[in-house]
Amino acid sequence: KNEVEQSPQNLTAQEGEFITINCSYSVGISALHWLQQHPGGGIVSLFMLSSGKKKHGRLIATINIQEKHSSLHITASHPRDSAVYICAVFGNEKLTFGTGTRLTIIP
Amino acid sequence: NAGVTQTPKFRVLKTGQSMTLLCAQDMNHEYMYWYRQDPGMGLRLIHYSVGEGTTAKGEVPDGYNVSRLKKQNFLLGLESAAPSQTSVYFCASRSPRINSSPLHFGNGTRLTVT
Repeated sequence: KNEVEQSPQNLTAQEGEFITINCSYSVGISALHWLQQHPGGGIVSLFMLSSGKKKHGRLIATINIQEKHSSLHITASHPRDSAVYICAVFGNEKLTFGTGTRLTIIP
Repeated sequence: NAGVTQTPKFRVLKTGQSMTLLCAQDMNHEYMYWYRQDPGMGLRLIHYSVGEGTTAKGEVPDGYNVSRLKKQNFLLGLESAAPSQTSVYFCASRSPRINSSPLHFGNGTRLTVT
């Protein structure tokens, strides 16, 4: 079993829909990252969380340390949100990554 | 600030050839990482460093070596390239201050070994 599991693996939605991507982990962590990777592009850090909730524009990230679970939400989704979203957990000086969720937003 | 810079961006090697990938960061970060990204798999840690002069093995270290002689540079070497090392390689860095440091990634190096 992977230490970091993301769901769903693929998600297609219509423009304007509310999007939720989930991340569960099985190891002790000190921080969790949400990353965005556009096709053929580099990787950008969206959020770093160690507790609670963070919001940036239309993106919201939450984490529940007791349940070892985090969610990334996108409100009013737009085609430019189409990308792979990656969850990564930081523990024991190392990062462990999920396999990513491929999000496609259709106009 | 340039952030994290990887060179080269693309490279094609023949089996058995050697090469070095360079990662440079100008943010004075202590922690640096080398990952490979393969289709259908998450980023996998090859080697990492928690400070100048230190390195440690990650999840998939075989066939790779690293050096961190200067704090700002983290080099990844392939002594004898194999087709299984065809991948996209990413370098990342961060500060050890957990609550204030996001990850910074380079733009990746696409390596093909024929």
